[in-house]
Amino acid sequence: EAEVAQSPRYKITEKSQAVAFWCDPISGHATLYWYRQILGQGPELLVQFQDESVVDDSQLPKDRFSAERLKGVDSTLKIQPAELGDSAMYLCASSLRRGGSPSTDTQYFGPGTRLTVL
Amino acid sequence: AQSVTQLGSHVSVSEGALVLLRCNYSSSVPPYLFWYVQYPNQGLQLLLKYTTGATLVKGINGFEAEFKKSETSFHLTKPSAHMSDAAEYFCAVSAITGGGNKLTFGTGTQLKVEL
Repeated sequence: EAEVAQSPRYKITEKSQAVAFWCDPISGHATLYWYRQILGQGPELLVQFQDESVVDDSQLPKDRFSAERLKGVDSTLKIQPAELGDSAMYLCASSLRRGGSPSTDTQYFGPGTRLTVL
Repeated sequence: AQSVTQLGSHVSVSEGALVLLRCNYSSSVPPYLFWYVQYPNQGLQLLLKYTTGATLVKGINGFEAEFKKSETSFHLTKPSAHMSDAAEYFCAVSAITGGGNKLTFGTGTQLKVEL
């Protein structure tokens, strides 16, 4: 069964350093999502891509976070500089359709990258 | 704006007992509702979803949920808990954005199953 791949699974960094996370969605999936999950909370959408275009980044802290999906396939999320409050699980998800309806377009999640900022 | 409230951050049941995890939603439009499960250090897996039609939705692993519009609820149930059900469960509501559907999650309920 096809899965969403993420790497690394775990990352420890010091504050003010730069970190990057990688996501490879299920093959053929047009829409890719990055979520942040702080311990004890539910995931919160950071950015959503349709193919290579950003369609929603309203919750992305753009002063330090950036995301790209250059060829409309895999994606990278970067934090520079990292802050203590960025410690969280970063989840990537993908779904098949462009402009998909929730009734027909399920989001599939990867295993996540757990970031610890010291 | 849409939101989800999960009542009870921790629920403990005995193996074989009924599982009931509560979820209430707020939505200005007819909602799409989801339950996801998350095992430790793993991503989220879809258990079931309500879109339209039948209000009782059956999912994987014996779980089901009932959409009650009058109560704005979407509680998750399973008749008999198994040790393997121990995990964190998230209720979510969906909104259509420009390019797809955006999920808004609750804060989660940690389910513990005891012998």
